[in-house]
Amino acid sequence: DIQMTQSPSSLSASVGDRVTITCQASQDISNYLNWYQQKPGKAPKLLIYDASNLETGVPSRFSGSGSGTDFTFTISSLQPEDIATYYCQQYDNLPPWTFGQGTKVEIK
Amino acid sequence: QVQLVESGGGVVQPGRSLRLSCAASGFTFSSYGMHWVRQAPGKGLEWVAVIWYDGSNKYYADSVKGRFTISRDNSKNTLYLQMNSLRAEDTAVYYCASEGIKTASAFDIWGQGTMVTVSS
Repeated sequence: DIQMTQSPSSLSASVGDRVTITCQASQDISNYLNWYQQKPGKAPKLLIYDASNLETGVPSRFSGSGSGTDFTFTISSLQPEDIATYYCQQYDNLPPWTFGQGTKVEIK
Repeated sequence: QVQLVESGGGVVQPGRSLRLSCAASGFTFSSYGMHWVRQAPGKGLEWVAVIWYDGSNKYYADSVKGRFTISRDNSKNTLYLQMNSLRAEDTAVYYCASEGIKTASAFDIWGQGTMVTVSS
Protein backbone atom coordinates (compact mmCIF):
# COMPACT_ATOMS: atom_id res chain seq x y z
CA ASP A 1 0.00 0.00 0.00
CA ILE A 2 1.13 3.56 -0.65
CA GLN A 3 1.74 5.58 2.51
CA MET A 4 1.13 9.33 2.54
CA THR A 5 3.09 11.45 5.00
CA GLN A 6 1.97 15.02 5.66
CA SER A 7 3.88 17.70 7.48
CA PRO A 8 3.50 19.51 9.70
CA SER A 9 0.74 17.83 11.69
CA SER A 10 -0.37 21.24 12.88
CA LEU A 11 0.54 24.87 12.38
CA SER A 12 -0.42 28.27 13.68
CA ALA A 13 -0.23 31.32 11.43
CA SER A 14 -1.51 34.89 11.30
CA VAL A 15 -4.23 36.17 9.02
CA GLY A 16 -2.61 37.09 5.72
CA ASP A 17 0.31 34.70 6.11
CA ARG A 18 1.38 32.25 3.44
CA VAL A 19 0.82 28.68 4.63
CA THR A 20 2.49 25.62 3.11
CA ILE A 21 1.76 21.96 3.76
CA THR A 22 3.75 19.11 2.28
CA CYS A 23 2.69 15.58 1.42
CA GLN A 24 5.11 12.80 0.56
CA ALA A 25 4.13 9.51 -1.06
CA SER A 26 6.00 6.29 -0.31
CA GLN A 27 6.34 5.68 -4.04
CA ASP A 28 5.85 7.54 -7.32
CA ILE A 29 2.17 8.45 -7.80
CA SER A 30 2.62 10.80 -10.76
CA ASN A 31 0.04 13.58 -10.19
CA TYR A 32 -2.64 11.29 -8.76
CA LEU A 33 -3.19 13.38 -5.66
CA ASN A 34 -6.11 15.32 -4.23
CA TRP A 35 -6.36 17.79 -1.34
CA TYR A 36 -9.38 18.08 0.96
CA GLN A 37 -10.41 20.60 3.59
CA GLN A 38 -12.35 19.52 6.66
CA LYS A 39 -13.80 22.13 8.99
CA PRO A 40 -14.69 21.10 12.55
CA GLY A 41 -17.80 18.94 12.66
CA LYS A 42 -18.19 18.95 8.90
CA ALA A 43 -17.58 16.53 6.04
CA PRO A 44 -14.41 16.89 3.96
CA LYS A 45 -14.53 19.08 0.86
CA LEU A 46 -12.47 18.64 -2.28
CA LEU A 47 -10.20 21.63 -2.95
CA ILE A 48 -7.49 20.46 -5.37
CA TYR A 49 -7.49 17.52 -7.78
CA ASP A 50 -4.76 16.00 -9.92
CA ALA A 51 -2.19 17.71 -7.68
CA SER A 52 -2.65 21.22 -9.03
CA ASN A 53 -6.16 21.80 -10.37
CA LEU A 54 -8.52 23.99 -8.39
CA GLU A 55 -12.01 22.59 -7.88
CA THR A 56 -14.77 24.83 -9.23
CA GLY A 57 -15.79 27.49 -6.73
CA VAL A 58 -12.68 27.17 -4.56
CA PRO A 59 -10.93 30.51 -3.86
CA SER A 60 -7.76 31.12 -5.84
CA ARG A 61 -5.69 31.62 -2.68
CA PHE A 62 -5.55 27.83 -2.52
CA SER A 63 -3.08 26.04 -4.79
CA GLY A 64 -1.26 22.76 -5.17
CA SER A 65 1.87 21.58 -6.91
CA GLY A 66 4.18 18.62 -7.26
CA SER A 67 4.46 15.25 -8.92
CA GLY A 68 6.09 11.92 -8.29
CA THR A 69 6.50 11.61 -4.52
CA ASP A 70 6.56 15.21 -3.28
CA PHE A 71 3.59 17.56 -3.20
CA THR A 72 2.82 20.96 -1.75
CA PHE A 73 -0.44 22.65 -0.77
CA THR A 74 -0.39 26.42 -0.29
CA ILE A 75 -2.74 29.04 1.08
CA SER A 76 -1.34 32.30 -0.26
CA SER A 77 -3.03 34.55 2.28
CA LEU A 78 -4.58 32.81 5.27
CA GLN A 79 -8.14 33.86 6.10
CA PRO A 80 -10.12 33.17 9.29
CA GLU A 81 -12.49 30.87 7.39
CA ASP A 82 -9.55 28.66 6.37
CA ILE A 83 -9.31 27.20 9.87
CA ALA A 84 -9.59 23.50 9.19
CA THR A 85 -7.69 20.27 8.83
CA TYR A 86 -6.27 19.55 5.39
CA TYR A 87 -5.70 16.08 3.96
CA CYS A 88 -3.87 14.79 0.92
CA GLN A 89 -5.11 11.61 -0.77
CA GLN A 90 -3.51 9.39 -3.41
CA TYR A 91 -5.39 7.50 -6.09
CA ASP A 92 -2.60 5.87 -8.07
CA ASN A 93 -2.10 2.34 -6.81
CA LEU A 94 -5.57 1.14 -5.85
CA PRO A 95 -6.98 -0.18 -3.64
CA PRO A 96 -6.64 1.21 -1.05
CA TRP A 97 -7.22 4.92 -1.45
CA THR A 98 -4.98 6.41 1.22
CA PHE A 99 -5.02 9.75 3.02
CA GLY A 100 -2.30 11.64 4.77
CA GLN A 101 -2.69 12.00 8.53
CA GLY A 102 -3.91 15.58 8.19
CA THR A 103 -2.59 19.05 8.98
CA LYS A 104 -4.54 21.20 11.41
CA VAL A 105 -4.34 24.91 10.57
CA GLU A 106 -5.04 27.44 13.32
CA ILE A 107 -4.94 31.21 13.59
CA LYS A 108 -2.18 32.69 15.73
CA GLN B 1 -29.06 19.74 -5.78
CA VAL B 2 -26.53 16.94 -5.55
CA GLN B 3 -26.83 15.41 -2.11
CA LEU B 4 -25.87 12.36 -0.06
CA VAL B 5 -27.59 11.65 3.24
CA GLU B 6 -26.37 8.90 5.56
CA SER B 7 -28.46 7.16 8.19
CA GLY B 8 -28.38 4.10 10.39
CA GLY B 9 -25.70 4.99 12.87
CA GLY B 10 -26.04 4.45 16.60
CA VAL B 11 -24.68 2.66 19.64
CA VAL B 12 -24.09 -1.06 19.27
CA GLN B 13 -22.42 -3.70 21.42
CA PRO B 14 -19.19 -5.39 20.33
CA GLY B 15 -19.84 -8.36 18.08
CA ARG B 16 -23.20 -7.09 16.91
CA SER B 17 -24.22 -5.80 13.47
CA LEU B 18 -25.39 -2.53 11.99
CA ARG B 19 -26.39 -1.41 8.50
CA LEU B 20 -25.73 2.08 7.24
CA SER B 21 -27.57 3.68 4.35
CA CYS B 22 -26.68 6.57 2.07
CA ALA B 23 -29.49 8.12 0.04
CA ALA B 24 -28.42 9.93 -3.12
CA SER B 25 -30.27 12.65 -4.98
CA GLY B 26 -29.64 15.25 -7.67
CA PHE B 27 -27.48 13.07 -9.91
CA THR B 28 -27.59 9.79 -11.85
CA PHE B 29 -26.62 7.52 -8.99
CA SER B 30 -26.26 4.45 -11.19
CA SER B 31 -23.43 6.06 -13.18
CA TYR B 32 -20.91 6.58 -10.37
CA GLY B 33 -18.71 4.60 -8.04
CA MET B 34 -19.39 5.11 -4.36
CA HIS B 35 -17.17 4.93 -1.29
CA TRP B 36 -17.43 4.70 2.47
CA VAL B 37 -14.83 6.65 4.47
CA ARG B 38 -14.65 6.74 8.25
CA GLN B 39 -13.12 8.97 10.87
CA ALA B 40 -12.52 7.79 14.43
CA PRO B 41 -12.95 10.46 17.12
CA GLY B 42 -10.08 12.94 16.91
CA LYS B 43 -8.39 10.97 14.13
CA GLY B 44 -7.86 11.26 10.38
CA LEU B 45 -9.75 9.92 7.41
CA GLU B 46 -9.70 6.19 6.62
CA TRP B 47 -11.02 4.75 3.39
CA VAL B 48 -13.30 1.76 4.09
CA ALA B 49 -14.83 0.38 0.89
CA VAL B 50 -15.75 1.10 -2.73
CA ILE B 51 -18.37 -0.26 -5.09
CA TRP B 52 -18.40 0.20 -8.83
CA TYR B 53 -21.28 2.09 -10.46
CA ASP B 54 -23.00 -1.17 -11.43
CA GLY B 55 -22.01 -3.16 -8.36
CA SER B 56 -19.69 -5.37 -10.39
CA ASN B 57 -16.62 -4.73 -8.25
CA LYS B 58 -16.14 -4.15 -4.55
CA TYR B 59 -12.97 -3.54 -2.57
CA TYR B 60 -12.33 -3.19 1.15
CA ALA B 61 -9.73 -1.90 3.55
CA ASP B 62 -7.86 -4.71 5.26
CA SER B 63 -9.23 -3.50 8.61
CA VAL B 64 -12.82 -4.38 7.61
CA LYS B 65 -12.37 -7.15 5.06
CA GLY B 66 -14.53 -10.16 5.85
CA ARG B 67 -16.69 -8.20 8.31
CA PHE B 68 -18.16 -5.35 6.25
CA THR B 69 -20.12 -5.58 2.98
CA ILE B 70 -20.78 -2.69 0.64
CA SER B 71 -23.78 -2.85 -1.67
CA ARG B 72 -26.07 -0.59 -3.63
CA ASP B 73 -29.61 -0.52 -4.98
CA ASN B 74 -29.59 1.67 -8.08
CA SER B 75 -33.38 1.49 -8.32
CA LYS B 76 -33.57 3.17 -4.91
CA ASN B 77 -30.55 5.47 -5.35
CA THR B 78 -29.14 4.08 -2.14
CA LEU B 79 -25.75 2.83 -0.96
CA TYR B 80 -25.36 0.48 2.00
CA LEU B 81 -22.70 -0.70 4.39
CA GLN B 82 -23.46 -3.88 6.32
CA MET B 83 -21.18 -4.03 9.33
CA ASN B 84 -20.88 -7.33 11.18
CA SER B 85 -18.74 -8.45 14.11
CA LEU B 86 -18.27 -4.86 15.18
CA ARG B 87 -15.30 -3.93 17.34
CA ALA B 88 -14.53 -0.95 19.54
CA GLU B 89 -12.05 0.25 16.92
CA ASP B 90 -14.89 0.57 14.38
CA THR B 91 -16.22 3.52 16.38
CA ALA B 92 -16.20 6.45 13.96
CA VAL B 93 -18.19 8.84 11.86
CA TYR B 94 -18.96 7.07 8.60
CA TYR B 95 -19.21 9.14 5.44
CA CYS B 96 -20.40 8.08 2.03
CA ALA B 97 -18.78 9.81 -0.91
CA SER B 98 -19.24 9.75 -4.65
CA GLU B 99 -16.38 9.54 -7.08
CA GLY B 100 -16.21 11.53 -10.25
CA ILE B 101 -19.56 13.34 -10.45
CA LYS B 102 -17.80 16.65 -11.08
CA THR B 103 -14.18 15.61 -10.93
CA ALA B 104 -12.81 12.31 -12.14
CA SER B 105 -10.96 10.22 -9.55
CA ALA B 106 -11.89 12.49 -6.66
CA PHE B 107 -14.33 12.11 -3.79
CA ASP B 108 -16.26 15.15 -4.90
CA ILE B 109 -19.54 14.85 -3.01
CA TRP B 110 -19.73 13.79 0.65
CA GLY B 111 -22.61 13.12 2.98
CA GLN B 112 -22.83 14.71 6.41
CA GLY B 113 -21.77 11.50 8.14
CA THR B 114 -23.40 9.14 10.63
CA MET B 115 -21.84 8.21 13.98
CA VAL B 116 -21.29 4.59 14.93
CA THR B 117 -20.30 3.84 18.50
CA VAL B 118 -19.31 0.30 19.44
CA SER B 119 -19.45 -0.08 23.19
CA SER B 120 -20.76 -2.45 25.82
